[in-house]
Amino acid sequence: AQTVTQSQPEMSVQEAETVTLSCTYDTSENNYYLFWYKQPPSRQMILVIRQEAYKQQNATENRFSVNFQKAAKSFSLKISDSQLGDTAMYFCAFMLHGGNDKLIFGTGTRLQVFP
Amino acid sequence: DVKVTQSSRYLVKRTGEKVFLECVQDMDHENMFWYRQDPGLGLRLIYFSYDVKMKEKGDIPEGYSVSREKKERFSLILESASTNQTSMYLCASSLRLAGAYEQYFGPGTRLTVT
Repeated sequence: AQTVTQSQPEMSVQEAETVTLSCTYDTSENNYYLFWYKQPPSRQMILVIRQEAYKQQNATENRFSVNFQKAAKSFSLKISDSQLGDTAMYFCAFMLHGGNDKLIFGTGTRLQVFP
Repeated sequence: DVKVTQSSRYLVKRTGEKVFLECVQDMDHENMFWYRQDPGLGLRLIYFSYDVKMKEKGDIPEGYSVSREKKERFSLILESASTNQTSMYLCASSLRLAGAYEQYFGPGTRLTVT
């Protein structure tokens, strides 16, 4: 069975600074996808970034980038130039390729961006 | 834009009541999911459906059932609500067998059972 672990329940960062959220996962499979989802306060969960396990290149979406270390089963999210609107719960998630499209979520990291 | 709507943002029910949570998506997605979200536990999958009238149990199906009579609508049913079902319930939808396609989430229903 696959598991996803987020060891940082809460983090804070000052506006314009950089912050990294950690995620590790456990699987014996080789083909899978990894995601970071963002849940702003009282708003809907949205996808931030995704990574295909077969791709060595780390995914990037504007100020958001990942550090994907397949051998270490690590998938961290880096937020550069943090903005107040980045304040949210962030969930790391795993999906097996060729499975039934199920996502397995971590427990989340609450990020607070201070002015 | 994909839109996933849920029938209520907040709901208060009494122990033993039958509760219906409704979810509707407007993008013709095959997959629909019901999760519950609890502090410190993240999102846990209750049930999912990949086609009309099809359903599969997730990780925590006990005490819940689902119904999918139309492609766009997926209902979560609490047959006899209990206080330990007080939680945030999130619905999501996605394209079928599309691997890396994202799941689109509704705004959630915060259910309190007293």
